[in-house]
This record gives sequence, structure tokens and C-alpha cells, in this order.
Amino acid sequence: DAGVIQSPRHEVTEMGQEVTLRCKPISGHDYLFWYRQTMMRGLELLIYFNNNVPIDDSGMPEDRFSAKMPNASFSTLKIQPSEPRDSAVYFCASRDSGGFWNEQFFGPGTRLTVL
Amino acid sequence: GQNIDQPTEMTATEGAIVQINCTYQTSGFNGLFWYQQHAGEAPTFLSYNVLDGLEEKGRFSSFLSRSKGYSYLLLKELQMKDSASYLCAVRPPSGGSYIPTFGRGTSLIVHP
Repeated sequence: DAGVIQSPRHEVTEMGQEVTLRCKPISGHDYLFWYRQTMMRGLELLIYFNNNVPIDDSGMPEDRFSAKMPNASFSTLKIQPSEPRDSAVYFCASRDSGGFWNEQFFGPGTRLTVL
Repeated sequence: GQNIDQPTEMTATEGAIVQINCTYQTSGFNGLFWYQQHAGEAPTFLSYNVLDGLEEKGRFSSFLSRSKGYSYLLLKELQMKDSASYLCAVRPPSGGSYIPTFGRGTSLIVHP
């Protein structure tokens, strides 16, 4: 398996623009997570899905952020409109509900810079 | 809620041993993860402890004391490639779907 795939790897945009981040989880994994990482706040969970259904979005900072998972192999995180304080690395992760450890597998991340 | 504390930064010499501590105060506990994250890369799984004691895996070992809310990651025979951030994450009881909460991470710098 290729692991968790994210695109784009880097995104530079101007304040006010819409940004869409994409994620393909590992095949067969039924949980998908979106995280944001900054120096100030560390790794923060934004939202997670189970079997394509959003379970907990309490980490989404505000209404400008939205996430969807239309099928088991694809998810998007959208920011509209973007602001400079949204600059961060956004990670997608997936895991299988089976197994004892429930280890999460992270994608390579999308480094977002909002000017 | 969850509160996880780790030192922000540590430095060590190549070939030496370093211990990275993690303390936690949580409303429930069902295991503790350690992840390694190299600069510009994704976190990768290192270890998982659910019972008290030491788990050894090659040069890396992880220790857990549930009564003290304390864990450490021990790195032996340090190599330059061990320079990375090390994240401690606590897994809640099953009511929380086992979603771990991550600490801020400890940046380890290994000098020659």
C-alpha cells in the first residue's frame, strides 16, 4: 500500500482565497483524521470520520473550516476564506478499528502558507 | 480533559543515552503512544504501552507508570539520524473511540 496520500504537498495562497486539501486514506481503514500542526499549538485534532461519517468536529477552529468524506477513499478539508493565521502543516491520518493498538498512520502533510 | 507535558527541547551527544519524559493528567487512560517526527515529515509510530513497565525495541525503549501518570522514551547509542521531535500521545478509554491526544513534542538535537 502506498500509505496515506495527501495533496498538494505545499500550498501558498493569498488571504481571502479558498483552499482545498485532499487526502486518500490507506485502503481498508475505517477512521480518517485531519490534524493541524504549528509551533505554537503542536498537533491538534480538527475532525475525524468513521466509515465516512463525521464523528467529532469540535476541533474545527471556526465556520471557515469544513471537511467532507464522500467515500471511503477520499476526504477534503476546505478553508474559505483563508487567513494568515491558518498557515500550518495539515496532516491527514487513517487507522483500522481492528487490532489492539489502533495505531494511526499519517500522510506526508500539506504545508499551507497564507499571505 | 487531557493535559500532557513534555520538555520542549533536549540535546545529546552521538553515542550517548537520552531519556525523554512525558507526564499526563487525564480523565481516563487506555494506553500511551510515542511517535517520532523528523523535520518536514509526518509522525511515525515508535511504541505503545498499556501496562506498567519497560518495553524494549532495539535501541529504543518506552516505560510507563500508570499510578504516577508518567512515561519515558529511552534512546540508546544515539545516532545523528535520531535528531527529531518525539511526541507522546495518550489514548482515552473506549468511550472516546480511542482517539489519542498528543503532547507538544520534544525536539531532540543530537550533536557529533
